[in-house]
Formats: sequence, structure tokens, C-alpha cells
Amino acid sequence: NAGVTQTPKFQVLKTGQSMTLQCAQDMNHNSMYWYRQDPGMGLRLIYYSASEGTTDKGEVPNGYNVSRLNKREFSLRLESAAPSQTSVYFCASSEASIAPLHFGNGTRLTVT
Amino acid sequence: SQQGEEDPQALSIQEGENATMNCSYKTSINNLQWYRQNSGRGLVHLILIRSNEREKHSGRLRVTLDTSKKSSSLLITASRAADTASYFCATAPGGNTGKLIFGQGTTLQVKP
Repeated sequence: NAGVTQTPKFQVLKTGQSMTLQCAQDMNHNSMYWYRQDPGMGLRLIYYSASEGTTDKGEVPNGYNVSRLNKREFSLRLESAAPSQTSVYFCASSEASIAPLHFGNGTRLTVT
Repeated sequence: SQQGEEDPQALSIQEGENATMNCSYKTSINNLQWYRQNSGRGLVHLILIRSNEREKHSGRLRVTLDTSKKSSSLLITASRAADTASYFCATAPGGNTGKLIFGQGTTLQVKP
């Protein structure tokens, strides 16, 4: 049972490049989330999807887009990367909104 | 702004001692959750306490919730070196918005 799988684990981008962070869960969870973690800032919610077919903005959505491709997969896209988006990105899933979250191991992104 | 604020930011104790971490929040909540994060890994859910509960236990963990003071505490008894990690509280604001908001965390070091 893999849980929540994030790819890639590491990525270096140049300013202005685009990329998509992939996330998949195999627990049949309804809700999925994208957080970013910066030193001293804790985790901040970027976007979430309460159920398949719905997405909503979190605390820091600017510069990101998401796609809930199906019940298993929730991707995060950076259209034009900026140095301020250097961070560790975590995907998480839960059975339902506000239920305990299951996290992936993160994607460490550096934008130069 | 962050919903949950942990205190202290860092804590260093000897193995066998108890560790207490506190979390304060700002708005009404449905539940409050505590997570652990080992270095370089994703967060792991520890315990969930609902707004109508005052205390909850899980193994060596004890969580209390005081909704009148908008605060919670996590007590780890008889700490071990393996408890060394960062601990985060997360709150589900009232109204079932689907958003779980994390605090900045407490870094716990347990010295053998």
C-alpha cells in the first residue's frame, strides 16, 4: 500500500519555466490537498479538492493551478516559476474534508 | 495569518522526561489535530480531538482542548530519542470549509 505518492522528489527550475507536480493516492480518499512548507512559516494550503470534480483556493493560490484528474490524482502546475516559489511541496489526501490527512514525502523545488 | 500558533518554537529535553507543546488558535473549530514530521519526510497524523472533547489519549500522547481559551496542548510522556521531530497542530475552522490550517510547529529534540 503506497499511500500518497509524489513525483518528482527534487526539481530545479529557472525563472519563467513551467512544470507540473504529480500526486496520486491509492486509499480511495475523496479529498486531496496541496501545501507548501517554508522555513519558519509552517505549512500553507495552496489548493484543495474536497471531492472529485471540485477544487478550491487555499491561503496562497497565486501562481499555481491545479487539476483533479480523477479520484486518485491531483496535480499542481506552476505556469511561470518564480524564486518565491522555492519551497517544499506536500500533497495530502483524506477520506473527507477535515478528516486526518495522509501526506506524501514532498517535492523539493528550487527556482533560480 | 496562521490559524494555529505553537509554543514553544523549540524544545530540548532528556530522554525519559515529558514534553509539552501548546497550540493557540483564533476562530471556532470543528476539530484540532496534531501531526509529527521527521526531518525530510511528510507529516504523520498523531491524534484528532473534536470541539466537544476535552482530553484524549493515544499511547504516550495526551491531548487537551480548551475551547474557551482557544488552546490545546500535546503532552508526550517518557520521551524517547525517536520522538525527536517537529510537531504541528492543525485546525479545521468551523463551518466545514474543508480547509485544515497548520501552525508553524514546535521542534522537539530528545537527547539520549
